[in-house]
Amino acid sequence: EAGVVQSPRYKIIEKKQPVAFWCNPISGHNTLYWYRQNLGQGPELLIRYENEEAVDDSQLPKDRFSAERLKGVDSTLKIQPAELGDSAVYLCASSLRDRAYGYTFGSGTRLTVV
Amino acid sequence: AQKITQTQPGMFVQEKEAVTLDCTYDTSDPSYGLFWYKQPSSGEMIFLIYQGSYDQQNATEGRYSLNFQKARKSANLVISASQLGDSAMYFCAMLAFGGNTPLVFGKGTRLSVIA
Repeated sequence: EAGVVQSPRYKIIEKKQPVAFWCNPISGHNTLYWYRQNLGQGPELLIRYENEEAVDDSQLPKDRFSAERLKGVDSTLKIQPAELGDSAVYLCASSLRDRAYGYTFGSGTRLTVV
Repeated sequence: AQKITQTQPGMFVQEKEAVTLDCTYDTSDPSYGLFWYKQPSSGEMIFLIYQGSYDQQNATEGRYSLNFQKARKSANLVISASQLGDSAMYFCAMLAFGGNTPLVFGKGTRLSVIA
């Protein structure tokens, strides 16, 4: 079984440019998460989807960040325009509805804004 | 609100020795799960071990064991017979099952295994 797939693995952009990250969760996992991990910190939730519905986006900076999960499968996270402080690792994870099984994480996208 | 505290920013251990990584947590939810993840320099989060709040036995997975002390709200990870490949960041995380909260992480501990 394939794990959570994220692309790209690395991205370097100039500030004020747009950027998008893509995530394909494990087949059958209803719940999808986007986390941001700043250097030297633990991951922090940006947004959580149950199927195609965003059920928790309270930590998503909505002025510049947007996300979508069309058809309840793949998801895209976008930043427009990017700022220097957005440099971080963006992790996607998925889980079954019964969260006791925990989350499976992708390899992450390391974003550097210059 | 849930909170995870990892007080050791960095740890060193000699190869083949055992090491304990500390984790304390705070929650008002009686039903919760505790997780440990390993994050190598490549960046992926690798699940290591899980402990449920109602589990009677401490969890073990190969060389990993979880020292769960519920009254103290601690869930320390013990790695036995350390290997060079164990050098990585280790994160403790908690999931409260009663509410609708996501997995919450600590700040992590960087483990360095010395030959």
